[in-house]
Amino acid sequence: DAGITQSPRHKVTETGTPVTLRCHQTENHRYMYWYRQDPGHGLRLIHYSYGVKDTDKGEVSDGYSVSRSKTEDFLLTLESATSSQTSVYFCAHEDSGSRNEQFFGPGTRLTVL
Amino acid sequence: AQSVTQPDIHITVSEGASLELRCNYSYGATPYLFWYVQSPGQGLQLLLKYFSGDTLVQGIKGFEAEFKRSQSSFNLRKPSVHWSDAAEYFCAVGSAAGTALIFGKGTTLSVSS
Repeated sequence: DAGITQSPRHKVTETGTPVTLRCHQTENHRYMYWYRQDPGHGLRLIHYSYGVKDTDKGEVSDGYSVSRSKTEDFLLTLESATSSQTSVYFCAHEDSGSRNEQFFGPGTRLTVL
Repeated sequence: AQSVTQPDIHITVSEGASLELRCNYSYGATPYLFWYVQSPGQGLQLLLKYFSGDTLVQGIKGFEAEFKRSQSSFNLRKPSVHWSDAAEYFCAVGSAAGTALIFGKGTTLSVSS
């Protein structure tokens, strides 16, 4: 157990609907990340957070927004889901003194029809 | 540009045989290096990490990896593969706390009996 959970674990939605994925950590770690995993691409960073209300964009941030109102929760929102956002989404957390060692949640499989 | 290359998309190894998975990186700063394993439908589990010092590092499940600065490589090895090692393996590189990891595209390991 990496001290991190994601919900929901699976979701099917339709194009144009809003979707929010939740990441919850119990380690009080400063840094949190959202990645997406697609076949042939490995993991790519969507957004990350370096503290409460402090977030920044990653490599593939278009169409996504995030919020972090508490240390333990990091939300990823797709304002209007598209089929290209069908993917597996992973959240990760990292302690401030860890030298970039990240621990991952179990993932959320999102299908946009 | 920062990148990680895993040249082998898919490898099949007989149970009990040795294993080597290749990883090459291109990174401007002194890298931190990681290997993660992902079983089907699961999240990523950290196998081992390299920050500095001894270039041969030991990880969980009997895995080891060797950092070779001159070759920009961080290859993963295991002397005797078990059927339970069948999974996807990701090499990743980072440099400082609070920054994104750069992932390779992964190598899928199959184990034959």
